[in-house]
Amino acid sequence: GENVEQHPSTLSVQEGDSAVIKCTYSDSASNYFPWYKQELGKRPQLIIDIRSNVGEKKDQRIAVTLNKTAKHFSLHITETQPEDSAVYFCAAMIQGAQKLVFGQGTRLTINP
Amino acid sequence: EAEVAQSPRYKITEKSQAVAFWCDPISGHATLYWYRQILGQGPELLVQFQDESVVDDSQLPKDRFSAERLKGVDSTLKIQPAELGDSAMYLCASSLAADYGGTQYFGPGTRLLVL
Repeated sequence: GENVEQHPSTLSVQEGDSAVIKCTYSDSASNYFPWYKQELGKRPQLIIDIRSNVGEKKDQRIAVTLNKTAKHFSLHITETQPEDSAVYFCAAMIQGAQKLVFGQGTRLTINP
Repeated sequence: EAEVAQSPRYKITEKSQAVAFWCDPISGHATLYWYRQILGQGPELLVQFQDESVVDDSQLPKDRFSAERLKGVDSTLKIQPAELGDSAMYLCASSLAADYGGTQYFGPGTRLLVL
C-alpha cells in the first residue's frame, strides 16, 4: 500500500522567514496530494492541494510543488506569521483506491 | 459554510464499556470517512462509506469496532468493549466525490479517553 513520509517532525522559524515541509510517497499511482493545517484542539483544515498533472500551485503565501519522478512534494510558506503556527499534514491518494494516506505531521512554530 | 458535525466532542469511559460516536456529513456528500488520530500522529483511516455501503474497512478492528451509515447520510462508529489503547481523537470527514480525489472536509472530532 501507499506510505507517506513527512519531514521534519518539528520546525521553528522566525516570523517573516520561509518554511518548507517535505513529503515523499511510495506509490507512483498516487495522483492527489492535499495539505492540511491543524491547530491545537481543532479539526484539520485543507489549505492547499495539487493533482499529478500539475507541478506547482500557489495561493497567496502558500505554495505546493510536486516532483512525480522523485515521488515527493513540498509545502512552502513565505512571510510566515504567528498564526501559521500549527501542525501540518501532507497526504496522498492513490487513483482508484479512494483513500488518503497521511504523513506523520510537522509541528511548525513561528517565533515573533 | 456547511461543516461536518460530530458528537460528543469529548468522551471519558472505563475500559470494557461501550462507546458510540456520531457524525453528520456535509449535505450532499456521498462519501464519509472515519479516522483515528493518535496524539502526535496523522489521521489513519478506519472505514470509508460510499452512500450506505462500506468501501474500505481494512483497518477497522472488527472484533470491537463497528460502523454504520444506514440511510447513507449520518453515521455511527461504535467500540465495544473499549480498551486503553483506544484513547485517541476520532475524526469524521466527508467528500463530494471520492473517486476524483474529492476534497475531504473534517469534523471537529471526538476525543476519547479510556480509563
